[in-house]
Amino acid sequence: SQTIHQWPATLVQPVGSPLSLECTVEGTSNPNLYWYRQAAGRGLQLLFYSVGIGQISSEVPQNLSASRPQDRQFILSSKKLLLSDSGFYLCAWSVAGLHTGELFFGEGSRLTVL
Amino acid sequence: EDQVTQSPEALRLQEGESSSLNCSYTVSGLRGLFWYRQDPGKGPEFLFTLYSAGEEKEKERLKATLTKKESFLHITAPKPEDSATYLCAVQARGYSTLTFGKGTMLLVSP
Repeated sequence: SQTIHQWPATLVQPVGSPLSLECTVEGTSNPNLYWYRQAAGRGLQLLFYSVGIGQISSEVPQNLSASRPQDRQFILSSKKLLLSDSGFYLCAWSVAGLHTGELFFGEGSRLTVL
Repeated sequence: EDQVTQSPEALRLQEGESSSLNCSYTVSGLRGLFWYRQDPGKGPEFLFTLYSAGEEKEKERLKATLTKKESFLHITAPKPEDSATYLCAVQARGYSTLTFGKGTMLLVSP
């Protein structure tokens, strides 16, 4: 069966510090991978998606970046965090190929920027 | 631009008190509408996919229906364990990425 792991689960970072969130998927090959952010009072906002190694599509301009160094690994990074980066970050995967609406989410990473 | 509006924002029910959640949408050609359940502090969990008006899907106490402008998630005789936030999302034709609503927070009291 397929599983998705996301870490760290919680982190508190000062403004201007770097960020690295990691996500790995097991039990499937060449999945589509997604990073979403969920802020209080807002819906899920798609940040990045990837349909293959090294292929990253950005949905919103911001100080975040994403990378996919391996088939089932997706990393969200920032060089300098802003207060507005606080939120609940979710990694998700779907089966390879065209985007489907059936996403499988990780447990999330709650980021607080102070 | 695709839009999804969910109502109410929050709903409190007594155990056994049936009700419905609404998801209104505007999309340039609907490929699919999706319902998810999200427990506090967790990632969303996929529930249903609806593709065309008139379609219905059921799972335990939940039934999702779809019209050309909205979807309903009917909850029959809810139990406290049904308490969660329910998210609705749409996908336009061409297999675009999903557009999510803000969700309805459901609380079922014993």
